[in-house]
Amino acid sequence: AQSVTQLDSQVPVFEEAPVELRCNYSSSVSVYLFWYVQYPNQGLQLLLKYLSGSTLVKGINGFEAEFNKSQTSFHLRKPSVHISDTAEYFCAVSGDSSYKLIFGSGTRLLVRP
Amino acid sequence: ETGVTQTPRHLVMGMTNKKSLKCEQHLGHNAMYWYKQSAKKPLELMFVYNFKEQTENNSVPSRFSPECPNSSHLFLHLHTLQPEDSALYLCASSRDNSRDSQFFGPGTRLTVL
Repeated sequence: AQSVTQLDSQVPVFEEAPVELRCNYSSSVSVYLFWYVQYPNQGLQLLLKYLSGSTLVKGINGFEAEFNKSQTSFHLRKPSVHISDTAEYFCAVSGDSSYKLIFGSGTRLLVRP
Repeated sequence: ETGVTQTPRHLVMGMTNKKSLKCEQHLGHNAMYWYKQSAKKPLELMFVYNFKEQTENNSVPSRFSPECPNSSHLFLHLHTLQPEDSALYLCASSRDNSRDSQFFGPGTRLTVL
């Protein structure tokens, strides 16, 4: 069975500092990996996705993530965060033969001035 | 604006009421999904429709009844709900039910008194 672990429930960071949000997955088959962001009182918005090819994936709003198969990780990074990046971030995985997205429990990024 | 709209955005209902949530997508997608997002819990997939046919019912209680009259519209009919059903209900769509990216609506915040 597939699962996604986001170890950090909340990550506080100062504005213009770099940030990394961690995501680890477990799966016995090839995977597709996604990061979504949810701003207050809104739905989820796709930040980026890994399907195949280059392990470094660039997304919107200056975010990027790196797929590491040996460590079964897909960590999200941004070199310099803004106040407006304050939101909940969800990592998700879908498996080889399933369209179902399995979501992690989310990480709240809190950017302070 | 993701191309997926949901109405109403907020709903308060008593346990004996009957109400419906509506989702509409303007993306030409063929697959639509209902998710439940409760506080402190990962997103839970409830139902999946592909080309108007239900392909997934994730052990959802019968007090939730989905309807998909066409590929653009999805409803969730609610009756005799419980207070623990209070949550954010998110609709999503994707091109088909493969591992394509899902696009989410803003959600309906449901409170059951």
